[in-house]
Amino acid sequence: GNSVTQMEGPVTLSEEAFLTINCTYTATGYPSLFWYVQYPGEGLQLLLKATKADDKGSNKGFEATYRKETTSFHLEKGSVQVSDSAVYFCALGGINDYKLSFGAGTTVTVRA
Amino acid sequence: DAGVIQSPRHEVTEMGQEVTLRCKPISGHNSLFWYRQTMMRGLELLIYFNNNVPIDDSGMPEDRFSAKMPNASFSTLKIQPSEPRDSAVYFCASSRTGLAEETQYFGPGTRLLVL
Repeated sequence: GNSVTQMEGPVTLSEEAFLTINCTYTATGYPSLFWYVQYPGEGLQLLLKATKADDKGSNKGFEATYRKETTSFHLEKGSVQVSDSAVYFCALGGINDYKLSFGAGTTVTVRA
Repeated sequence: DAGVIQSPRHEVTEMGQEVTLRCKPISGHNSLFWYRQTMMRGLELLIYFNNNVPIDDSGMPEDRFSAKMPNASFSTLKIQPSEPRDSAVYFCASSRTGLAEETQYFGPGTRLLVL
């Protein structure tokens, strides 16, 4: 079945540091891949997504590239801010399916 | 757009009491999802509705849990009787068609504490 494995946290960084959160997946065919972000006390919201191999999703300075050869969708940001402190979830949506398979989430804390 | 609306935002109740959580999806979305989030189990899909019809309720933990969607703009998740292990954050999400390639829009969640 479909599954997602993401880097365990927590991750603590200083402001302006580089952030990478690893995400790998197992799926049949060509699933859609997502990064959702959950700020404290809020629901999840879409950060970025990619629907086919080699697509790059980007938003708010974050980027992730759909790599079919390595079955990965790693999230990166070149210079984090305190406001990026949140829990980040990698997710996979199978073809002709309705279910999203979520990773366990990675808690990121950015210190000023 | 108002986004997905959930109520109440917080609920504290005693074991054995009935709890009803409410959700209003985004207008025009025909798919609705109920999730539960806990530290131990992460994010779990409880039930999925499409065009107000329950399509997959395999994630509903047991008979104490029930969900309804009487119309396109309203859904409830009921726990009766509630137990301390039901304490969690319950999220409602909606999407335009339900296909997994589409964005799901989450509500702010209901934080439930069962004493």
